[in-house]
Amino acid sequence: RKEVEQDPGPFNVPEGATVAFNCTYSNSASQSFFWYRQDCRKEPKLLMSVYSSGNEDGRFTAQLNRASQYISLLIRDSKLSDSATYLCVVNSGSARQLTFGSGTQLTVLP
Amino acid sequence: GAGVSQSPSNKVTEKGKDVELRCDPISGHTALYWYRQRLGQGLEFLIYFQGNSAPDKSGLPSDRFSAERTGESVSTLTIQRTQQEDSAVYLCASSFNPTGGFDTEAFFGQGTRLTVV
Repeated sequence: RKEVEQDPGPFNVPEGATVAFNCTYSNSASQSFFWYRQDCRKEPKLLMSVYSSGNEDGRFTAQLNRASQYISLLIRDSKLSDSATYLCVVNSGSARQLTFGSGTQLTVLP
Repeated sequence: GAGVSQSPSNKVTEKGKDVELRCDPISGHTALYWYRQRLGQGLEFLIYFQGNSAPDKSGLPSDRFSAERTGESVSTLTIQRTQQEDSAVYLCASSFNPTGGFDTEAFFGQGTRLTVV
């Protein structure tokens, strides 16, 4: 089992739609959780951290479920500019380093 | 510098030659990562440094790949006898790891695009 697993995607949604991504992790001792965004041919960049109580940043909401070991990202009112690959990141591994999921590709269609 | 810096940004090399890729992390960041990303693929973990030590080098694909870090700062990734399948973008990231804690968010450099011809 991979340490971090994401929805396979790709997701193709119309502008204005709400879309949700899930990510599961295997290490119950993980403490740090993030969502990153990677645009085509660019480096990944932090989108938001994920806190135990859940957190919201504008149209983006992230949630953590420790009991089921998954995190989620909800994007409301999708924009064309949201088209990117979204990477789930959890600290894991033998050295508790950050481990990246393989990413979910989102395309928002006009 | 303000961010993670990688050099060169692009490298074209002949099959069989050795290449060295450099990463300058954000000052004070104790953790450093190397990833490989082939065109259209996800991130492939190569190696993780905590300070100058590499507690996880499980991602290095073969003994042609090696990496070192000195002064808890600069890191170099060396690929010996390059092959065409080594062509990819090599990304470096750094983060802060408080003593006994977990890595904070990682910041990426813009990568080195390696093409082996």
